[in-house]
Amino acid sequence: NAGVTQTPKFRVLKTGQSMTLLCAQDMNHEYMYWYRQDPGMGLRLIHYSVGEGTTAKGEVPDGYNVSRLKKQNFLLGLESAAPSQTSVYFCASTSGRAGREQFFGPGTRLTVL
Amino acid sequence: SQKIEQNSEALNIQEGKTATLTCNYTNYSPAYLQWYRQDPGRGPVFLLLIRENEKEKRKERLKVTFDTTLKQSLFHITASQPADSATYLCALDPFNQAGTALIFGKGTTLSVSS
Repeated sequence: NAGVTQTPKFRVLKTGQSMTLLCAQDMNHEYMYWYRQDPGMGLRLIHYSVGEGTTAKGEVPDGYNVSRLKKQNFLLGLESAAPSQTSVYFCASTSGRAGREQFFGPGTRLTVL
Repeated sequence: SQKIEQNSEALNIQEGKTATLTCNYTNYSPAYLQWYRQDPGRGPVFLLLIRENEKEKRKERLKVTFDTTLKQSLFHITASQPADSATYLCALDPFNQAGTALIFGKGTTLSVSS
């Protein structure tokens, strides 16, 4: 099992450009999450999904969109990147049990110039 | 406001000593609390989960306590080694429901010197 994978690992964008981050999990998990991690801020939830075809906003959703067309994939889109979106992005997934641990991907380091 | 705080950003100890990390929360009543380890450039990795009816849980050199009265969890690493150097995150489920996103503390970076 590969667990949770993220594509790409690194990316540099110019302000105003768009991109999509891909998260894939092979554990048949129902729930998937996108976080951003910034120095001194910890992990902050951007969007999450409780199942295929459903998404919901987290703590910091502005400037991002998501889609969960397939159970194993969760996409995070930036339509018009801004320097404030420079961050490390982590995807995570978990099973349907309460109290279950989250499995994280390796992260995507994004720089917006 | 609802908060989860880890008392120090950094902790430096000598090899062989016991490291103790603290996680405090307010305005939550979590049924369980989790601890994760994060190495530089990597995603967090789950270590331990402790339930509200468990006062203490152990896994090898790791020990976690959970005091729902104090709203506090302590994370101990005994006989610490340089390989234990990492950032440790505590996390809780604010609604005690399946699928709810966890809320994470900002982490404590542990450095173990030989």
